[in-house]
Amino acid sequence: SQQGEEDPQALSIQEGENATMNCSYKTSINNLQWYRQNSGRGLVHLILIRSNEREKHSGRLRVTLDTSKKSSSLLITASRAADTASYFCATIVYGGATNKLIFGTGTLLAVQP
Amino acid sequence: DAMVIQNPRYQVTQFGKPVTLSCSQTLNHNVMYWYQQKSSQAPKLLFHYYDKDFNNEADTPDNFQSRRPNTSFCFLDIRSPGLGDAAMYLCATSRVLGRSYTQYFGPGTRLTVL
Repeated sequence: SQQGEEDPQALSIQEGENATMNCSYKTSINNLQWYRQNSGRGLVHLILIRSNEREKHSGRLRVTLDTSKKSSSLLITASRAADTASYFCATIVYGGATNKLIFGTGTLLAVQP
Repeated sequence: DAMVIQNPRYQVTQFGKPVTLSCSQTLNHNVMYWYQQKSSQAPKLLFHYYDKDFNNEADTPDNFQSRRPNTSFCFLDIRSPGLGDAAMYLCATSRVLGRSYTQYFGPGTRLTVL
């Protein structure tokens, strides 16, 4: 399977704490994306990091990428109850004229108020 | 606001009774995707359209079909739903099949099979 793996599978923290999620993938990539999914809803794109980038920031989000280890991490600083959601990393698999996203297994984050 | 809309949000059907799920978009994106997501799992791509070109995933069961009558609409048809087809079905769009694209998801349709 080309699917990436994420850990931890579930994470529970207190409001104000930082949350770190890790993603490992199997194939060479051009970029890696992170998505958030609130319970029972669709996914929302958070951030994209290209293979030639090592770190990227967007608001309270910080993403790192280590292509030598085929891994990425997502850090959410100063977490809020509204950050409670599932977080998925996704890589693109290229197949000639068609490309597709391969999602990781996801991390369920619970932020306690 | 430009968006991806899925109808209905909740669908209940009986074992073996055909069902159609609908997706529409106002983003004018040329690629539309259908994913199946079971509880606590990652979304799994079923198929996608690049304009009118249909691309089926190798492991998508024949029970699942799709239609895209125009740029804005895409349908997922489940010909004979089984209990194992109960899941959230997500529609997504993207602008082009480029190398740095993101996907825009609808809210999903939760399918229950009785």
